[in-house]
Amino acid sequence: EAQVTQNPRYLITVTGKKLTVTCSQNMNHEYMSWYRQDPGLGLRQIYYSMNVEVTDKGDVPEGYKVSRKEKRNFPLILESPSPNQTSLYFCASSPRTGWKYEQYFGPGTRLTVT
Amino acid sequence: AQKITQTQPGMFVQEKEAVTLDCTYDTSDQSYGLFWYKQPSSGEMIFLIYQGSYDEQNATEGRYSLNFQKARKSANLVISASQLGDSAMYFCAMRPGSARQLTFGSGTQLTVLP
Repeated sequence: EAQVTQNPRYLITVTGKKLTVTCSQNMNHEYMSWYRQDPGLGLRQIYYSMNVEVTDKGDVPEGYKVSRKEKRNFPLILESPSPNQTSLYFCASSPRTGWKYEQYFGPGTRLTVT
Repeated sequence: AQKITQTQPGMFVQEKEAVTLDCTYDTSDQSYGLFWYKQPSSGEMIFLIYQGSYDEQNATEGRYSLNFQKARKSANLVISASQLGDSAMYFCAMRPGSARQLTFGSGTQLTVLP
């Protein structure tokens, strides 16, 4: 089954404790992206990657890191989480970078930082 | 910069009736894609429909259609014959040709009444 998977689905952590949210897709997609969703703000892009070893900042990159060492994986790293990073996080992928392609979303990761 | 505006935070519709969810966008690009996603209470993001800026006909997918008015920069989603399962948050999104990002609106919460 073609899909985007994320782990963990739920995470409660404390301020300053480094964490990684994994994302993997099995569709051989070139483009991958991370979003955060907050009430009233819709989804905002954190980072994206157009291919292996090619990443770039989205609209809200502060406090996050990413890497793309393999085509299928695109982990999101929070080196020192803070309470304002409490949010619902989505990973997404699409076949290409172009404007004609919809994005396929993972199930989401609900993160709480206390 | 790109912007998507959804002016209806919440909408109610009677089961079996049609409903229109509004979306206006702002971009200086000639090439762009417009997307609608559905987010049920379970949280996942479900792709509904796509409209390209050069498409002359409005997109349709089953009970979903996109009322595309290019000159007015609007891309309203029309759901015909509403069902209880249509109750969800709906997001409009745009991807201009010059950008590598998908920009989302703030969403419309649709409730279908029995």
